[in-house]
Amino acid sequence: EIVMTQSPATLSVSPGERVTLSCRASQSVGSTLAWYQQKPGQAPRLLIYAASTRATGVPARFSGTGSGTEFTLTITSLQSEDFAVYYCQQYSFWYTFGQGTKLEIK
Amino acid sequence: EVVLVESGGGLVQPGGSLRLSCAASGFSFSRYWMSWVRQAPGKGLEWVANIRQDESLKFYVDSVKGRFTGSRDNAKNSLYLEMNTLRAEDTAVYYCVRGSGSDSGLYFDNWGQGTLVTVSS
Repeated sequence: EIVMTQSPATLSVSPGERVTLSCRASQSVGSTLAWYQQKPGQAPRLLIYAASTRATGVPARFSGTGSGTEFTLTITSLQSEDFAVYYCQQYSFWYTFGQGTKLEIK
Repeated sequence: EVVLVESGGGLVQPGGSLRLSCAASGFSFSRYWMSWVRQAPGKGLEWVANIRQDESLKFYVDSVKGRFTGSRDNAKNSLYLEMNTLRAEDTAVYYCVRGSGSDSGLYFDNWGQGTLVTVSS
């Protein structure tokens, strides 16, 4: 099983700041990496797939980079609606998710 | 607009059975892989099953193999998950999810609102 490890578990930031979330795979997954956003009481929402392609309707302030085992999700100029939990997911060999990074208001 | 609506969740005793349904609309259902993903209370996401467009391929996470069966009815734009021999650790919100990508790997681009399955005596 490919284990996905996200860091940090929680990140306290202020609106308007830039933030970078990390995701590491236990073995190479190429570019088969997706990012999701989940707000309390809601279903996850796809943000990024193929490591760096924004899903339909996702604002340009969200960007993904990386390949192999190291990936990042960057959010520039945080908006109030961006405070949520973010998950990475690999789809190279079966499907596994990271444990999530909670973005909270500082 | 893609809409996925799950139903069928509820409280069931350990060892019992439950059948989840998902009604899809707003896209060509028969052209997509469909999946089930679950989330235990307060926990992260876990992929459960994938069902190919024509049901010729079905894949399951090891923990549900032999107990859960996914199926679909393309004429009714519906996805199903038959869950047998349920265990306490199956307690979760179950999401119906549309898969995109390719046969060798899917990302999940549209999610239902989920249905809660609670396994408890």
